[in-house]
Formats: sequence, structure tokens, C-alpha cells
Amino acid sequence: AQKVTQAQTEISVVEKEDVTLDCVYETRDTTYYLFWYKQPPSGELVFLIRRNSFDEQNEISGRYSWNFQKSTSSFNFTITASQVVDSAVYFCALSGNNAGNMLTFGGGTRLMVKP
Amino acid sequence: NAGVTQTPKFQVLKTGQSMTLQCAQDMNHEYMSWYRQDPGMGLRLIHYSVGAGITDQGEVPNGYNVSRSTTEDFPLRLLSAAPSQTSVYFCASSWDRTQPQHFGDGTRLSIL
Repeated sequence: AQKVTQAQTEISVVEKEDVTLDCVYETRDTTYYLFWYKQPPSGELVFLIRRNSFDEQNEISGRYSWNFQKSTSSFNFTITASQVVDSAVYFCALSGNNAGNMLTFGGGTRLMVKP
Repeated sequence: NAGVTQTPKFQVLKTGQSMTLQCAQDMNHEYMSWYRQDPGMGLRLIHYSVGAGITDQGEVPNGYNVSRSTTEDFPLRLLSAAPSQTSVYFCASSWDRTQPQHFGDGTRLSIL
């Protein structure tokens, strides 16, 4: 069975602070895909990034960056210079070889950015 | 381009009633799935389909039924609603497991 753990249930920061959201996963598959989704207060789910298990390069997209480390089974997400608009629930998810390869989600981290 | 469309957006049911949550996508995706979102538990997979005529159970299938007669539609049926099924339901679609899933806007369901 596969599992995704987001140990931080809520994080509160002040605008312009950097913040890292942790994601630890478990899977026996050698080929798998990791995702991050954002759920703003309006409720929709917005795709942020996909990473496959063979690509350990870190990725940066504007103020967002992702650190994938297979050795520690982690796929952490950092927001640099946070803004109020970053306030949302963030989900890490894993797609492996079970259940039709559908997503297994972590419990989510609620990020609150205060002005 | 509508993407994934879910109806209704809100619904209140009484215990024991049945209903169907509708999901349609216009992207010709083979993979479709239903998740429920409960506080602190992320999203959990209810049922999924990898193509028309093919469905299978996810992590929490009890009390729900699905069918996939066309590529576009993937309705979710609650057979006899129970308060434990109060949740937000999301439908999603994708080309395959390597691609990001596109989510509908969700259906907020309350069972009294």
C-alpha cells in the first residue's frame, strides 16, 4: 500500500517569510509520480507540479520550489517571500501502480499568510 | 473549454435517500475518478475508471456505485444516504497516471 504524510496540519507565517511544506511518502513501486495541488479558500483544486521517480532534479517556478529526495522519500515544497494570496490548503499526492494508478493524497497543510 | 463539470454544487439529503452526482469531462480523457474530502483526511479515492465500460473500487467504495457508459460521463450514485457520507465530492479526469488530474469544482453534500 502507498501512503503520503504531511505532518504539518497548519502553518502560520507573516507575509514575505519563506515557508517549507513537508511531504513524506511510502511506496514499494519503483516507478511513481508525485504531485502538489493547491486548494484556495474558494475550494477548487489547482495543480502545481508533477515529478516522476526517476527525476530528482529540484525545480523552481517563480517563488515556488520543490525538493525531491528519494533517499528520504520526501518531496518538500518551499514558498519564498510568501504572500497573502498563498493562503490555501496544499496537498501532496502520489500515483503508483495500485488502484488504477489513481492518487493517494496526504492530509493537507493549511497555510495562513498574514499581512 | 469546460474541463470537468460536476453537478449539483450543493445538495442536502435525508438519511436513506438516494441520488446521483453527475460528472462530465470534455477533454476525451480515459481516466476518471471520484474522491471525497473530509477535514484532516485529504482526499480519498471512492471509485475510478480507466476507460468506458471499466470501473473499479478505490479506498472507500462502500455505499457508492458508479458506471462508465461513455468516455465523457462518470456518475456517482449514493444508494441509501447515511450521515457518514456528508462530505465534499470531487470528480477528476486525466489522460493516464503520469499526467496531472483535472478536478471539477466539487459537490458539497450534507446528509441529515
